[in-house]
Amino acid sequence: GAGVSQSPRYKVAKRGQDVALRCDPISGHVSLFWYQQALGQGPEFLTYFQNEAQLDKSGLPSDRFFAERPEGSVSTLKIQRTQQEDSAVYLCASTRAGGVTGELFFGEGSRLTVL
Amino acid sequence: QQPVQSPQAVILREGEDAVINCSSSKALYSVHWYRQKHGEAPVFLMILLKGGEQKGHDKISASFNEKKQQSSLYLTASQLSYSGTYFCGTETTSYDKVIFGPGTSLSVIP
Repeated sequence: GAGVSQSPRYKVAKRGQDVALRCDPISGHVSLFWYQQALGQGPEFLTYFQNEAQLDKSGLPSDRFFAERPEGSVSTLKIQRTQQEDSAVYLCASTRAGGVTGELFFGEGSRLTVL
Repeated sequence: QQPVQSPQAVILREGEDAVINCSSSKALYSVHWYRQKHGEAPVFLMILLKGGEQKGHDKISASFNEKKQQSSLYLTASQLSYSGTYFCGTETTSYDKVIFGPGTSLSVIP
């Protein structure tokens, strides 16, 4: 596709439910990043893939958060047993090369609301 | 560690200039600047690499002082379309992740 695509755009979950958020990066982009953006805040780094390898997951807030990119293209961010503090916009971004040092192309995000 | 941005918010009249500052306590490899409008994805403005170069993009330019670990974004003759939240992002090494600051809200009014 022309840009980074994320789905669903909006997700409402009851506390305790599991959710899965999908990111389809720009075709051919090697690196993929997940960020969490709370209302009125900057994007906070969660995790980073280079092809299918998860090179950095230091930003994942707890073991309830899990991300994968099994074939080096589409990625899924899974949140188990959602809590109210997980409510945020989850942004996915991709870059052509390994790592950044170039433009990050962002998707429009998945807005998660946990009730 | 998250970079610090100042000011937190600024209101301008069309045609006025603004400067947004970004600083880090760590040695930086690069500084990125993005603008995000409400409900939209952040959009890349420019990246400055270690070397202190200044870049320009229409009436928006930026500088990077690597010795002070500081960057400034300059918006001249502001237009209504410049409204949004500006984020700086920093890398401490090449081909690493970008850590974003808390943002500066810019509102341009007629």
